[in-house]
Amino acid sequence: KAGVTQTPRYLIKTRGQQVTLSCSPISGHRSVSWYQQTPGQGLQFLFEYFSETQRNKGNFPGRFSGRQFSNSRSEMNVSTLELGDSALYLCASSITAPYNEQFFGPGTRLTVL
Amino acid sequence: AQSVTQPDIHITVSEGASLELRCNYSYGATPYLFWYVQSPGQGLQLLLKYFSGDTLVQGIKGFEAEFKRSQSSFNLRKPSVHWSDAAEYFCAVGVRYGGSQGNLIFGKGTKLSVKP
Repeated sequence: KAGVTQTPRYLIKTRGQQVTLSCSPISGHRSVSWYQQTPGQGLQFLFEYFSETQRNKGNFPGRFSGRQFSNSRSEMNVSTLELGDSALYLCASSITAPYNEQFFGPGTRLTVL
Repeated sequence: AQSVTQPDIHITVSEGASLELRCNYSYGATPYLFWYVQSPGQGLQLLLKYFSGDTLVQGIKGFEAEFKRSQSSFNLRKPSVHWSDAAEYFCAVGVRYGGSQGNLIFGKGTKLSVKP
């Protein structure tokens, strides 16, 4: 069974631009969560989607948004990029409940210049 | 508030020596606990998990962890470290909000270096 895939793996943007990251969960997994990882703040929960609905959201500004499609694939979008948005963005999938066990993708490394 | 504390930011051990990484959590209900490992530039790989039952859980790569409710701890151990174990290790608690809603809260991580 294929693991969680994320595209692109690396991305360079400039301040003020917007970016869209994509995540394909493990087949049969309906829950997709997104995390931001930075050296200073560590791993922080962004949001979780299940059956195309956002079920849970972390403490991030509205510039961070996401969506999930009927095939469980998910995208997250960051608008008006700031330097502090430079991070590794990790996607994780689980069958139904994200607190049971999550499987992580390799991440997208976003650099904002 | 729910939280996970990993007191050691960086640990160095010699190859073949034993290892213990500490993790303390704060959560009001019975915790679901996890240890993940992350190699540089990679995602997180699940080493082991605790949901209930036997407080000593076995994981992959020869790792084990012991849940101690009285100490709110879930320490990770390995009897003999290999050079390939050098990585960053994250402890996490699964927070439940009702039904199947919830998310993972992670500690800040412990970076493990292995001396030859």
